Amino acid sequence: GENVEQHPSTLSVQEGDSAVIKCTYSDSASNYFPWYKQELGKRPQLIIDSRSNVGEKKDQRIAVTLNKTAKHFSLHITETQPEDSAVYFCAEVDFNKFYFGSGTKLNVKP
Amino acid sequence: DVKVTQSSRYLVKRTGEKVFLECVQDMDHENMFWYRQDPGLGLRLIYFSYDVKMKEKGDIPEGYSVSREKKERFSLILESASTNQTSMYLCASSGPGQRDEKLFFGSGTQLSVL
Repeated sequence: GENVEQHPSTLSVQEGDSAVIKCTYSDSASNYFPWYKQELGKRPQLIIDSRSNVGEKKDQRIAVTLNKTAKHFSLHITETQPEDSAVYFCAEVDFNKFYFGSGTKLNVKP
Repeated sequence: DVKVTQSSRYLVKRTGEKVFLECVQDMDHENMFWYRQDPGLGLRLIYFSYDVKMKEKGDIPEGYSVSREKKERFSLILESASTNQTSMYLCASSGPGQRDEKLFFGSGTQLSVL
């Protein structure tokens, strides 16, 4: 299988602060890197993704960066809100197979 | 709306039992997946199917098998359940092509093996 490492495992921030989650991967052939959010008791859902031809992508308060040379990608959440509290998973996709990181539990304190 | 349905939300089985977890998707997706989710370990791929009767092992296939007789249905089989297979099992599906790789998850089956 593929090796996707995700850090930190838990992250606690004050409402309004920024949060950053980082992932590294090993397979240089991968071109697609999605991020999933899993709220408590619910199924994971795609929130944003990046492809190898795009260094940075932004969607409102969330952004992703990708550094293919260094084989790492990151999720940035600005102006965090309590509803951002969830577990976030990065993933590397190789020939339609999704390999996930171990997850980051984000807690946004009001 | 997209739907991936897992037959059971909670399941309790005894050690040594044969267990079937069923998953059905209504999006005509080629690709279907079985993951198990454990705290601190994330989502680990058990098996992947890219077409009817086709399957590939994921990272942790030991103790599991799968069946895909019809495109919409992907079954996970625990031949002889063991306590270390107590976990949350998530089924997922995705469509074909480079630009349609979004993964849709079922709501999960929490399996307890006693």
